[in-house]
Amino acid sequence: GAGVSQTPSNKVTEKGKYVELRCDPISGHTALYWYRQSLGQGPEFLIYFQGTGAADDSGLPNDRFFAVRPEGSVSTLKIQRTERGDSAMYLCASSPTGGRWGEQYFGPGTRLTVT
Amino acid sequence: AQKVTQAQTEISVVEKEDVTLDCVYETRDTTYYLFWYKQPPSGELVFLIRRNSFDEQNEISGRYSWNFQKSTSSFNFTITASQVVDSAVYFCALSAHGGSQGNLIFGKGTKLSVKP
Repeated sequence: GAGVSQTPSNKVTEKGKYVELRCDPISGHTALYWYRQSLGQGPEFLIYFQGTGAADDSGLPNDRFFAVRPEGSVSTLKIQRTERGDSAMYLCASSPTGGRWGEQYFGPGTRLTVT
Repeated sequence: AQKVTQAQTEISVVEKEDVTLDCVYETRDTTYYLFWYKQPPSGELVFLIRRNSFDEQNEISGRYSWNFQKSTSSFNFTITASQVVDSAVYFCALSAHGGSQGNLIFGKGTKLSVKP
């Protein structure tokens, strides 16, 4: 079956611009997560959705970052006024149940480069 | 605080050697889950295993085995008879109640290179 997909696979943008990153979770998965991975580091949690609502957005670094999941399926991570420090791989994962026990299945990521 | 430490940054072995990747975790919760993920050069994280804090039974899956010891807060991963295809970055991760509803706390990863 289809896994988690993310688009675009690569995004290059200029400092100060707005970007949107899209995640299509595995069909039927209620939980969706966004992580950010810098080079040589493990992924760091950004935000978690259960259904349409953000159950935990404590990992978002500041108010330039925002994410939505309006119909409980596809999610979009939005970054305003991008900065060079936002350059990283942005990973999306989905889980059939969420919660501490839920296996998370990751997409291939979107590599964001801010010039 | 929740934390995962993978002290080995890089490991290089020759094919057919056994290799153990170390993982030490910190949490005050009594109920938690531990995971291992593989990230091959293609970049996509692949789920390998999940263990809960109440099950210390070691697990074997083919050439992979996991040793969970609560007494030392460790969850080590061994690959027996390594192969070139095992070359990847391996991440250990923790999910505990003190964190979010299931967000994973990852270690920094161990890059494994298996040479022919």
